[in-house]
Amino acid sequence: AQKITQTQPGMFVQEKEAVTLDCTYDTSDPSYGLFWYKQPSSGEMIFLIYQGSYDQQNATEGRYSLNFQKARKSANLVISASQLGDSAMYFCAMKGGSEKLVFGKGTKLTVNP
Amino acid sequence: KAGVTQTPRYLIKTRGQQVTLSCSPISGHRSVSWYQQTPGQGLQFLFEYFSETQRNKGNFPGRFSGRQFSNSRSEMNVSTLELGDSALYLCASSGGTSGPPWETQYFGPGTRLLVL
Repeated sequence: AQKITQTQPGMFVQEKEAVTLDCTYDTSDPSYGLFWYKQPSSGEMIFLIYQGSYDQQNATEGRYSLNFQKARKSANLVISASQLGDSAMYFCAMKGGSEKLVFGKGTKLTVNP
Repeated sequence: KAGVTQTPRYLIKTRGQQVTLSCSPISGHRSVSWYQQTPGQGLQFLFEYFSETQRNKGNFPGRFSGRQFSNSRSEMNVSTLELGDSALYLCASSGGTSGPPWETQYFGPGTRLLVL
């Protein structure tokens, strides 16, 4: 079975600073994908970034980067230069052989001006 | 391209009633997945439809069912509603190819269901 753990229920960051949101995972699948989504208060899940388990390089998408440490089974999201609009819930998710997308409990990020 | 659309956005029902939610995927996407999100249980996978067939299923009772039409639009039905069915129901679409590489799912805005 696959499991995602996000240990930070809430995080605070000052505008323009960087923040790291933690995600650890557990799976017996040899191949899997890791995803991060952002959910504003409106409810829609917005895809941010993807990392495949066999990808050699850490994924980056604009201000988002994924710090992937396969041996430690961690896939932390780094947001650089935080903006007020980054305040939202952030979910880490993974998909493997079961083809089901499994989510963590999420981290609520608050960006302070 | 238009994103995933879901209707209705908000719904209030009473216990014992049934409800049907609709989801239109991104044009060209053939897979639609449904998720239930509650404060207590988080995001849970309900089922996935691909080419009008249920391809994957989560651990929900038979009161939860779905279907997919030939144009890839999907509906989800919940019969005999219970208070605990109050939730945000999200649908997501993707091309439908099996991984790896693992496809990204794109989500709609969700339907907020309140059961009284």
